[in-house]
Amino acid sequence: GIQVEQSPPDLILQEGANSTLRCNFSDSVNNLQWFHQNPWGQLINLFYIPSGTKQNGRLSATTVATERYSLLYISSSQTTDSGVYFCAVEDTGGFKTIFGAGTRLFVKA
Amino acid sequence: GAGVSQTPSNKVTEKGKYVELRCDPISGHTALYWYRQSLGQGPEFLIYFQGTGAADDSGLPNDRFFAVRPEGSVSTLKIQRTERGDSAVYLCASSALAEEQFFGPGTRLTVL
Repeated sequence: GIQVEQSPPDLILQEGANSTLRCNFSDSVNNLQWFHQNPWGQLINLFYIPSGTKQNGRLSATTVATERYSLLYISSSQTTDSGVYFCAVEDTGGFKTIFGAGTRLFVKA
Repeated sequence: GAGVSQTPSNKVTEKGKYVELRCDPISGHTALYWYRQSLGQGPEFLIYFQGTGAADDSGLPNDRFFAVRPEGSVSTLKIQRTERGDSAVYLCASSALAEEQFFGPGTRLTVL
């Protein structure tokens, strides 16, 4: 099955700093999503981005499907950005959605 | 409703018991997914419904796990003869076809 690798596994930022999170996947996928899991456990959809670039406020994402990676950019980080960021892909062989292990982000005030 | 809801929010049971977990998807969403998440890990896919049918159940770990969606809306995940290793947060998500998934708050299952 598809392997999804996220890096870095952990990240500590000072408030106001920028960061880039990476997601690599091992095979072609139907779609790709980025999620933020807040400290209370709720998963929030950030981007549905099988290819191309999207922006939403301080966040943006780029997926290069032909090279099997996606990047999530966080600019001017805030303490409320803390949590775990997951990349999830849908297997072309079925409807299975596979999550990476996540990047744990802590933003210090 | 405004979002995906799951009940109960917490369930504590004893080893060997039967449990049912419920998911109410966003109205009109035809796709419904079940996942489970253990501490420190990403969600693990269990099953996908398109309408009333289970289009992909390849993630169910064994035959103690079963899920239904009889009317194409509410879904129930059923676990028989629970084991301590089943303890996890069970997450449900729904989506319109080929669109982003929206997650519920999860049910935390603890098997003593």
